[in-house]
Amino acid sequence: NAGVTQTPKFRILKIGQSMTLQCTQDMNHNYMYWYRQDPGMGLKLIYYSVGAGITDKGEVPNGYNVSRSTTEDFPLRLELAAPSQTSVYFCASSYSTGQSTDTQYFGPGTRLTVL
Amino acid sequence: AQSVAQPEDQVNVAEGNPLTVKCTYSVSGNPYLFWYVQYPNRGLQFLLKYITGDNLVKGSYGFEAEFNKSQTSFHLKKPSALVSDSALYFCAVRDPFSSNTGKLIFGQGTTLQVKP
Repeated sequence: NAGVTQTPKFRILKIGQSMTLQCTQDMNHNYMYWYRQDPGMGLKLIYYSVGAGITDKGEVPNGYNVSRSTTEDFPLRLELAAPSQTSVYFCASSYSTGQSTDTQYFGPGTRLTVL
Repeated sequence: AQSVAQPEDQVNVAEGNPLTVKCTYSVSGNPYLFWYVQYPNRGLQFLLKYITGDNLVKGSYGFEAEFNKSQTSFHLKKPSALVSDSALYFCAVRDPFSSNTGKLIFGQGTTLQVKP
């Protein structure tokens, strides 16, 4: 049971490049989340999904896109990378019955630098 | 606005001494509160949560937290600190206006340094 896995671990992008951060979970969780972590700022929610085919914006969605074609995968897309997107990105998942949501479990993170 | 505050950027404690990492919250309704720990270059790991019931919640690695409704606090505690407890600790509250999405609001984090 691998839990939540993320690839790549590290990446350096040039301004204007695009990339996809991959996230996969094997716990059959229906809810998935993308956060970014900036020093001294805690975690900010970028996008989330409550099930396959359903996604919604979080607190800081600008410059990002997501898709959820399967329960397991929740990739995060950066279309035109900007220095402000330099951050550590975490994917998380949880199980919800609709009446309550369970604990979120996090992946190891992707450290992205945009130069 | 819904928010979580961790008033200390860093907490220093000697090994074997008790530790407290503070968290206060401001949310409407009954809060669902969480503590996570992050070791260097790792993802967040769940420690414990308060949903309802006993105000003292016990979690992983000997940690516990006390929910205090009147003081709107959820401080993390451990009776005897270990050097290996040194890490970054996050308090979080579930967004009460998005209860069906499980969205969390995080504090800014507190670095715990345990010295031998």
